[in-house]
Amino acid sequence: DIVLTQTPLSLPVTPGEPASISCRSSQSLLASDDGHTYLDWYVQKPGQSPQLLIYTLSDRASGVPDRFSGSGSGTDFTLKISTVEAEDVGVYYCMQRLEFPLTFGGGTKVEIK
Amino acid sequence: QVHLQQWGAGLLKPSETLSLTCAVYGGSFSEYYWIWIRQAPGKGLEWIGEINHNGSTNYQPSLKSRLTMSVDTSKRQFSLRLRSVTAADTAVYYCVGWRAVADMGFDPWGQGTLVTVSS
Repeated sequence: DIVLTQTPLSLPVTPGEPASISCRSSQSLLASDDGHTYLDWYVQKPGQSPQLLIYTLSDRASGVPDRFSGSGSGTDFTLKISTVEAEDVGVYYCMQRLEFPLTFGGGTKVEIK
Repeated sequence: QVHLQQWGAGLLKPSETLSLTCAVYGGSFSEYYWIWIRQAPGKGLEWIGEINHNGSTNYQPSLKSRLTMSVDTSKRQFSLRLRSVTAADTAVYYCVGWRAVADMGFDPWGQGTLVTVSS
């Protein structure tokens, strides 16, 4: 199975400041047949179901503010929040869709300082 | 806009069968893969498996021997059955859609159903 390792586990942030979450994969998530990188990001806000933020490395889901961005290549990926807002608190997960079984990172809890 | 509504028994005894159903409202049922994901209390997310409108499935290997997913296209519903549950199967179970033709990630998600396995 592909193992995704997220760091940090916990991320205290100050509103208005940037934030960054890392996701490292045990193998490349670049699909050789179509050139896409099958790494998504989800956020689970308190008391809610997870929701899609970023898909295939860097595409923002519908309605996601442009302060969220995904980047990286091969095995190293980053979710960046350019300026954190109070509503961004929650647990962020990366997920690989390259091969079965699909797997998630362990999650990063973003909280306001 | 696709919306998912799920239901099923919330309290089971060990060795019983977990059964959950998810109804799909809106959108094209056949354009999606239908997925189940679970989250044990205080833990992360675990992909359980997926099924498409033709009944083609992919399962989590560790659950495969106990797992059955099915679809009812006439009712626009899909279901999960997990046999011989133990306390380790206690989790919130989510039904999820993935629109394969657009390949835009997992969206939408159902509201989640807490399933507790306890004697």
